[in-house]
Amino acid sequence: DTGVSQNPRHKITKRGQNVTFRCDPISEHNRLYWYRQTLGQGPEFLTYFQNEAQLEKSRLLSDRFSAERPKGSFSTLEIQRTEQGDSAMYLCASSSLMGFDEKLFFGSGTQLSVL
Amino acid sequence: GQQVMQIPQYQHVQEGEDFTTYCNSSTTLSNIQWYKQRPGGHPVFLIQLVKSGEVKKQKRLTFQFGEAKKNSSLHITATQTTDVGTYFCAGQRGAQKLVFGQGTRLTINP
Repeated sequence: DTGVSQNPRHKITKRGQNVTFRCDPISEHNRLYWYRQTLGQGPEFLTYFQNEAQLEKSRLLSDRFSAERPKGSFSTLEIQRTEQGDSAMYLCASSSLMGFDEKLFFGSGTQLSVL
Repeated sequence: GQQVMQIPQYQHVQEGEDFTTYCNSSTTLSNIQWYKQRPGGHPVFLIQLVKSGEVKKQKRLTFQFGEAKKNSSLHITATQTTDVGTYFCAGQRGAQKLVFGQGTRLTINP
């Protein structure tokens, strides 16, 4: 068990550029979450997958954000036409849902800075 | 939608003093979880509470789940500098997604 891995750890980009982040969950975990966190705030839900199915996407999320989880393994989060307000830590978490018992394991996150 | 509120947002204590953070949900929960995030780190799971009125202890940490399964608390006895960080509660209804509170940031004066 190597834990949840996220790449890159840091990303600096110019406004208007597209960025893509990758998350590799713990191998046997069927659920994968993306959260966004800004300084002093709790993790804000973006979207989550159960296996390869995207079950929910936050209504606060604009169409510039898209996520995929092909084959129910790793996931990517893409932000198109980045804006300065997108600057945040993007956290990925995975879990193995057994009944209603779910415990999230977080990755170290990708810190995005939009200049 | 489901909302989880935490108070206080910040708490500063002298080392050795006790600390409590409170969590309230707008809806009845099936379980509540607590996470700790150290400065510069990512949230790490502490505990899960499932039963109405449940109390669990981890050394100096005491976790409670309210009778109505809508509120919870975390109490730390005799804080130590290693307790510094932000404590988040996260509520879940059935198999729906976990919803996090805003967190309580604990700082400690040694």
